[in-house]
Amino acid sequence: AQRVTQPEKLLSVFKGAPVELKCNYSYSGSPELFWYVQYSRQRLQLLLRHISRESIKGFTADLNKGETSFHLKKPFAQEEDSAMYYCALKSSRGSTLGRLYFGRGTQLTVWP
Amino acid sequence: SAVISQKPSRDICQRGTSLTIQCQVDSQVTMMFWYRQQPGQSLTLIATANQGSEATYESGFVIDKFPISRPNLTFSTLTVSNMSPEDSSIYLCSVEVVVGQGSFFGQGTRLTVV
Repeated sequence: AQRVTQPEKLLSVFKGAPVELKCNYSYSGSPELFWYVQYSRQRLQLLLRHISRESIKGFTADLNKGETSFHLKKPFAQEEDSAMYYCALKSSRGSTLGRLYFGRGTQLTVWP
Repeated sequence: SAVISQKPSRDICQRGTSLTIQCQVDSQVTMMFWYRQQPGQSLTLIATANQGSEATYESGFVIDKFPISRPNLTFSTLTVSNMSPEDSSIYLCSVEVVVGQGSFFGQGTRLTVV
Protein backbone atom coordinates (compact mmCIF):
# COMPACT_ATOMS: atom_id res chain seq x y z
CA ALA A 1 0.00 0.00 0.00
CA GLN A 2 1.11 3.54 -0.63
CA ARG A 3 2.20 5.64 2.27
CA VAL A 4 3.83 9.02 2.70
CA THR A 5 5.69 9.86 5.88
CA GLN A 6 6.73 13.30 7.01
CA PRO A 7 8.48 12.73 10.31
CA GLU A 8 8.51 16.34 11.47
CA LYS A 9 5.25 17.97 12.36
CA LEU A 10 6.98 21.25 13.22
CA LEU A 11 10.23 22.72 11.96
CA SER A 12 11.72 26.08 12.91
CA VAL A 13 14.77 27.77 11.45
CA PHE A 14 16.18 31.26 11.39
CA LYS A 15 16.16 33.39 8.30
CA GLY A 16 19.11 32.61 6.08
CA ALA A 17 19.60 29.13 7.47
CA PRO A 18 19.27 26.04 5.31
CA VAL A 19 16.09 24.07 5.62
CA GLU A 20 15.23 20.49 4.79
CA LEU A 21 11.76 19.02 5.08
CA LYS A 22 11.83 15.27 5.06
CA CYS A 23 9.54 12.98 3.13
CA ASN A 24 9.71 9.22 2.77
CA TYR A 25 7.33 7.11 0.79
CA SER A 26 6.24 3.55 0.31
CA TYR A 27 4.95 2.52 -3.10
CA SER A 28 5.33 -0.59 -5.22
CA GLY A 29 5.90 0.93 -8.63
CA SER A 30 7.21 4.12 -10.14
CA PRO A 31 6.01 6.94 -7.94
CA GLU A 32 5.04 10.43 -8.90
CA LEU A 33 5.87 12.75 -6.04
CA PHE A 34 4.89 16.30 -5.30
CA TRP A 35 5.32 18.96 -2.69
CA TYR A 36 2.32 21.14 -1.93
CA VAL A 37 2.34 24.26 0.20
CA GLN A 38 -0.35 26.07 2.10
CA TYR A 39 0.38 29.60 3.21
CA SER A 40 -1.69 31.14 5.96
CA ARG A 41 -5.28 31.77 4.81
CA GLN A 42 -4.56 30.52 1.30
CA ARG A 43 -5.53 27.40 -0.52
CA LEU A 44 -3.29 24.42 -1.01
CA GLN A 45 -1.09 24.85 -4.05
CA LEU A 46 1.51 22.89 -5.92
CA LEU A 47 5.12 23.76 -5.15
CA LEU A 48 7.19 21.11 -6.90
CA ARG A 49 6.88 17.94 -8.92
CA HIS A 50 9.71 15.46 -9.07
CA ILE A 51 9.23 14.92 -12.80
CA SER A 52 10.14 18.48 -13.69
CA ARG A 53 13.28 18.64 -11.54
CA GLU A 54 12.72 22.37 -11.21
CA SER A 55 13.55 24.89 -8.53
CA ILE A 56 10.62 26.93 -7.30
CA LYS A 57 11.10 29.83 -4.87
CA GLY A 58 14.58 28.46 -4.22
CA PHE A 59 13.26 25.04 -3.21
CA THR A 60 14.44 21.82 -4.78
CA ALA A 61 13.56 18.20 -4.17
CA ASP A 62 15.30 15.13 -5.49
CA LEU A 63 13.71 11.75 -5.72
CA ASN A 64 15.96 9.10 -4.20
CA LYS A 65 14.50 5.73 -5.08
CA GLY A 66 17.12 3.85 -3.10
CA GLU A 67 16.16 5.62 0.09
CA THR A 68 12.53 6.10 -1.00
CA SER A 69 12.81 9.76 -0.11
CA PHE A 70 11.80 13.08 -1.62
CA HIS A 71 13.16 15.68 0.75
CA LEU A 72 12.49 19.36 0.14
CA LYS A 73 15.46 21.67 0.51
CA LYS A 74 16.29 25.33 0.42
CA PRO A 75 19.76 26.71 1.13
CA PHE A 76 18.64 30.02 2.63
CA ALA A 77 15.23 30.16 4.24
CA GLN A 78 13.14 33.33 4.09
CA GLU A 79 10.39 34.50 6.43
CA GLU A 80 7.85 34.21 3.62
CA ASP A 81 8.59 30.49 3.43
CA SER A 82 6.69 29.98 6.66
CA ALA A 83 3.81 27.68 5.73
CA MET A 84 2.49 24.15 5.94
CA TYR A 85 4.22 21.81 3.52
CA TYR A 86 2.73 18.53 2.35
CA CYS A 87 4.50 15.77 0.53
CA ALA A 88 2.19 13.77 -1.73
CA LEU A 89 2.41 10.64 -3.81
CA LYS A 90 0.26 10.13 -6.85
CA SER A 91 -0.80 6.65 -7.74
CA SER A 92 0.03 5.83 -11.33
CA ARG A 93 -1.67 2.50 -11.78
CA GLY A 94 -4.69 0.31 -11.37
CA SER A 95 -7.83 1.18 -9.52
CA THR A 96 -6.15 4.02 -7.62
CA LEU A 97 -4.91 5.82 -10.72
CA GLY A 98 -4.67 9.57 -10.21
CA ARG A 99 -5.25 9.58 -6.47
CA LEU A 100 -3.02 11.69 -4.27
CA TYR A 101 -1.86 10.40 -0.92
CA PHE A 102 -0.60 13.01 1.48
CA GLY A 103 1.82 13.03 4.35
CA ARG A 104 0.66 14.65 7.55
CA GLY A 105 2.43 17.89 6.74
CA THR A 106 5.28 19.88 8.25
CA GLN A 107 4.65 23.35 9.60
CA LEU A 108 7.72 25.42 8.77
CA THR A 109 8.39 28.59 10.71
CA VAL A 110 11.20 30.87 9.66
CA TRP A 111 12.21 33.31 12.38
CA PRO A 112 13.65 36.74 11.53
CA SER B 1 -4.05 25.82 -14.63
CA ALA B 2 -7.53 25.66 -13.22
CA VAL B 3 -9.65 27.88 -11.05
CA ILE B 4 -11.83 26.00 -8.61
CA SER B 5 -14.69 27.58 -6.71
CA GLN B 6 -16.15 25.84 -3.72
CA LYS B 7 -19.34 26.79 -1.97
CA PRO B 8 -20.02 27.34 0.85
CA SER B 9 -16.67 28.40 2.26
CA ARG B 10 -17.86 27.58 5.74
CA ASP B 11 -20.96 26.49 7.57
CA ILE B 12 -22.19 25.58 11.01
CA CYS B 13 -24.75 22.81 10.97
CA GLN B 14 -26.93 20.97 13.41
CA ARG B 15 -26.27 17.30 13.97
CA GLY B 16 -28.54 15.04 11.99
CA THR B 17 -28.79 17.43 9.06
CA SER B 18 -27.06 17.28 5.68
CA LEU B 19 -24.88 19.74 3.81
CA THR B 20 -24.12 19.80 0.10
CA ILE B 21 -20.83 21.28 -1.01
CA GLN B 22 -20.43 22.49 -4.56
CA CYS B 23 -17.28 22.49 -6.64
CA GLN B 24 -17.10 24.39 -9.93
CA VAL B 25 -14.07 24.25 -12.23
CA ASP B 26 -13.36 26.70 -15.04
CA SER B 27 -12.27 23.94 -17.43
CA GLN B 28 -13.39 20.45 -18.30
CA VAL B 29 -11.69 17.74 -16.30
CA THR B 30 -12.11 14.01 -16.30
CA MET B 31 -11.53 13.27 -12.65
CA MET B 32 -12.45 15.30 -9.62
CA PHE B 33 -11.42 14.32 -6.14
CA TRP B 34 -12.92 15.05 -2.74
CA TYR B 35 -10.72 15.23 0.35
CA ARG B 36 -11.31 15.68 4.03
CA GLN B 37 -8.92 17.39 6.38
CA GLN B 38 -9.80 16.84 10.00
CA PRO B 39 -8.45 19.25 12.60
CA GLY B 40 -4.70 18.93 12.94
CA GLN B 41 -4.50 16.14 10.40
CA SER B 42 -3.53 15.68 6.81
CA LEU B 43 -5.74 15.36 3.77
CA THR B 44 -7.57 12.10 3.32
CA LEU B 45 -9.16 11.15 0.03
CA ILE B 46 -12.88 10.50 0.30
CA ALA B 47 -13.73 9.58 -3.27
CA THR B 48 -13.02 10.08 -6.93
CA ALA B 49 -15.85 11.52 -9.01
CA ASN B 50 -15.90 10.70 -12.70
CA GLN B 51 -18.45 12.14 -15.04
CA GLY B 52 -20.96 9.59 -16.20
CA SER B 53 -20.20 6.92 -13.64
CA GLU B 54 -20.55 6.21 -9.96
CA ALA B 55 -18.02 7.75 -7.65
CA THR B 56 -15.29 5.50 -6.33
CA TYR B 57 -14.95 5.64 -2.56
CA GLU B 58 -11.88 5.03 -0.47
CA SER B 59 -11.82 2.62 2.41
CA GLY B 60 -13.78 4.00 5.33
CA PHE B 61 -16.08 6.17 3.25
CA VAL B 62 -19.46 5.09 1.92
CA ILE B 63 -21.93 6.48 -0.55
CA ASP B 64 -24.79 6.68 1.94
CA LYS B 65 -22.79 9.03 4.12
CA PHE B 66 -21.05 11.01 1.36
CA PRO B 67 -23.16 10.91 -1.80
CA ILE B 68 -21.47 12.56 -4.76
CA SER B 69 -22.86 13.91 -7.98
CA ARG B 70 -20.91 14.64 -11.15
CA PRO B 71 -23.41 15.84 -13.73
CA ASN B 72 -20.83 17.27 -16.15
CA LEU B 73 -17.11 17.82 -16.67
CA THR B 74 -16.93 21.08 -14.72
CA PHE B 75 -19.08 20.48 -11.66
CA SER B 76 -19.45 18.14 -8.72
CA THR B 77 -21.18 18.08 -5.36
CA LEU B 78 -20.39 16.26 -2.15
CA THR B 79 -23.09 15.81 0.46
CA VAL B 80 -22.26 15.12 4.06
CA SER B 81 -25.33 13.29 5.35
CA ASN B 82 -26.76 12.84 8.81
CA MET B 83 -23.95 14.88 10.27
CA SER B 84 -22.37 14.38 13.65
CA PRO B 85 -19.68 16.46 15.39
CA GLU B 86 -17.08 13.98 14.11
CA ASP B 87 -17.79 15.26 10.60
CA SER B 88 -16.41 18.66 11.52
CA SER B 89 -13.60 19.09 9.01
CA ILE B 90 -12.41 21.00 6.03
CA TYR B 91 -13.66 19.44 2.80
CA LEU B 92 -11.74 20.13 -0.40
CA CYS B 93 -12.26 19.34 -4.02
CA SER B 94 -9.36 18.87 -6.36
CA VAL B 95 -8.70 18.36 -10.06
CA GLU B 96 -5.77 17.51 -12.25
CA VAL B 97 -6.11 19.32 -15.55
CA VAL B 98 -3.08 17.84 -17.27
CA VAL B 99 -1.82 14.47 -16.18
CA GLY B 100 1.45 14.83 -14.32
CA GLN B 101 1.16 18.57 -13.88
CA GLY B 102 -0.08 18.39 -10.32
CA SER B 103 -3.46 19.04 -8.81
CA PHE B 104 -5.41 22.20 -8.14
CA PHE B 105 -7.49 22.63 -5.04
CA GLY B 106 -10.53 24.56 -4.05
CA GLN B 107 -10.31 26.88 -1.08
CA GLY B 108 -12.10 24.33 1.05
CA THR B 109 -15.33 24.22 3.00
CA ARG B 110 -14.92 24.50 6.75
CA LEU B 111 -17.75 22.53 8.32
CA THR B 112 -18.60 22.67 11.99
CA VAL B 113 -21.30 20.35 13.32
CA VAL B 114 -22.87 21.27 16.62
